[in-house]
Formats: sequence, structure tokens, C-alpha cells
Amino acid sequence: GQQVMQIPQYQHVQEGEDFTTYCNSSTTLSNIQWYKQRPGGHPVFLIQLVKSGEVKKQKRLTFQFGEAKKNSSLHITATQTTDVGTYFCAPGSGGSNYKLTFGKGTLLTVNP
Amino acid sequence: DAGITQSPRHKVTETGTPVTLRCHQTENHRYMYWYRQDPGHGLRLIHYSYGVKDTDKGEVSDGYSVSRSKTEDFLLTLESATSSQTSVYFCAIRPGTDLYEQYFGPGTRLTVT
Repeated sequence: GQQVMQIPQYQHVQEGEDFTTYCNSSTTLSNIQWYKQRPGGHPVFLIQLVKSGEVKKQKRLTFQFGEAKKNSSLHITATQTTDVGTYFCAPGSGGSNYKLTFGKGTLLTVNP
Repeated sequence: DAGITQSPRHKVTETGTPVTLRCHQTENHRYMYWYRQDPGHGLRLIHYSYGVKDTDKGEVSDGYSVSRSKTEDFLLTLESATSSQTSVYFCAIRPGTDLYEQYFGPGTRLTVT
């Protein structure tokens, strides 16, 4: 599968600060998904990016796919305590038997 | 939550015993997946299924087998559990061929002593 490096592994912020996690690949990705997992919970799908340079927003979350489709980022503006969790990027393989390869995730903690 | 249940939710078993985990979905999705999650490794794909009796291996399939005799059930079996298989196991479904996102079940925490 396609391997990605996610950085940072951990990020601790004060409530109200911004947060960004990055997902980097050495190869061109066909698409990438982002998931959030709350402590003790299961991964929850957030978004899928397909096009080069694509930017999508969900309220305070902004997702980007690099022009070369080798990297992606998730930016959270003005973090809240509800943003706590691990954020995973997951590039997908092509074809009908579609598989995801998950990055190791970025654990975000927010100090109120 | 996409109608996915996993059973059992927690299990403690001894080394060498067989264990079967069940994933059940209520919406007749074709694609189902089994992952394990361990600290420092993220989520790793064990096996997946693309239809009844159609399964394939993921990146960490050694020591695991799967079966899918009905659309709604995807079973993961550890033939002889080892301590290295202590993990949290997640089942996931993919809604369709044109939709790539996956939806996860609540997970099963398995401890092998």
C-alpha cells in the first residue's frame, strides 16, 4: 500500500490556538481521506480529497491536497476542547477493491 | 453509525485458544474490512471482503482468517491466539463502489494472556 508520514505525532495546544497536521508521501496519491478518532472511540470519516490543489472546509476545519498530490494537511482554526483526538490521514488505492493505508496519526490535546 | 455492530466488545483469552470476532452490518454493504489498532502503529488492515465468499489479505494477515457466508456478517478468526494479537480490532464497511469513505464499528478490545 501507499505509505505516508504524518507529522507531528503529538500536538498540545491552548484552547483558541490553531492546529495543523501534515501528511506526506514520496509517491503521487490518487486520493486521500481524513479521519478523527476520539479517545476510546472509533475512527470517524471527515473528508476525502481527490483533485490536485483541492481545498475543502468544514466549519473550523480546512483540508488541503497538494498540487503534486503528494501531501495533504488538516488545519483547525481556534481549537476547542471538542477537537481533542487523533487525526489520521489515509491514502486510498485505486480500483474497485479499494483499500486505505492509514498514517500513524496526530494526537491533539487541548488545554481549556 | 452505519448500522455496524461488533461482538464481543471485550474479550480476555489465553494463548493458544481460538477466538472469533464478529462484525454485523444491517445495510447490505458489499465491502467490509478488519483492522487492528496498536499504539505506535495506527490502523492496519488485516483482511477485507468484497462480497459473499470473496475475501483478500491485508498487510498484517498472518495468524488470522476470515469468512463471509452472508452479506451482513464478516467473521475474523484467530486460530491460535498469541500475545502479539492483543489489540483493538475494528470492523469497517464501505458504502459502495463510487463511495470510498469507510465507516467503523465500535471496536473489540482483545487481550491474550
